[in-house]
Amino acid sequence: QKEVEQNSGPLSVPEGAIASLNCTYSDRGSQSFFWYRQYSGKSPELIMSIYSNGDKEDGRFTAQLNKASQYVSLLIRDSQPSDSATYLCAVANQAGTALIFGKGTTLSVSS
Amino acid sequence: GAGVSQSPSNKVTEKGKDVELRCDPISGHTALYWYRQSLGQGLEFLIYFQGNSAPDKSGLPSDRFSAERTGGSVSTLTIQRTQQEDSAVYLCASSPGLIGELFFGEGSRLTVL
Repeated sequence: QKEVEQNSGPLSVPEGAIASLNCTYSDRGSQSFFWYRQYSGKSPELIMSIYSNGDKEDGRFTAQLNKASQYVSLLIRDSQPSDSATYLCAVANQAGTALIFGKGTTLSVSS
Repeated sequence: GAGVSQSPSNKVTEKGKDVELRCDPISGHTALYWYRQSLGQGLEFLIYFQGNSAPDKSGLPSDRFSAERTGGSVSTLTIQRTQQEDSAVYLCASSPGLIGELFFGEGSRLTVL
């Protein structure tokens, strides 16, 4: 069973701080990795994708991938109360037919 | 609308009844997915359709669950003889074809009494 693991949280950070969200995965052959954000009562929405080792930056968001350690992370700089949500790590299966999601980390940003 | 449309948004049924959930994907999206999300749980993959290819049904939890996609567009997820453990939000997503770029609908909340 392919697994994606995340700390459930809640992760609490003050406004303006850096939030660091982590994810590990079990399938060493995985090639595609994604972060989705899910606000309470809403559906998930894609915020970042990463395919190569290293960092990928998009505005206040940075995704980091280390395939050797089977580890993906998401950094949110200058955190805002509007960033308060559950962040879901997702890994594509090798067949490219499904995303396997972690259970998510709940982030709370206090003003 | 331009997004993924799901119906019904809420469904309450009695144990043992059959239910049908409908998904209308974004126009032009070739891939369609069904997931379910139970309270406190992550998204559980159910089934994947891509164009005219055979669907990936590997996530369906039992033979009570089935899905079809007609004309490469609208999809229906059918749950027969519903059980209480089937209670969840059933999410449909479509994609233009690139794995990972899923656009989700608002979901159908199923409650089995």
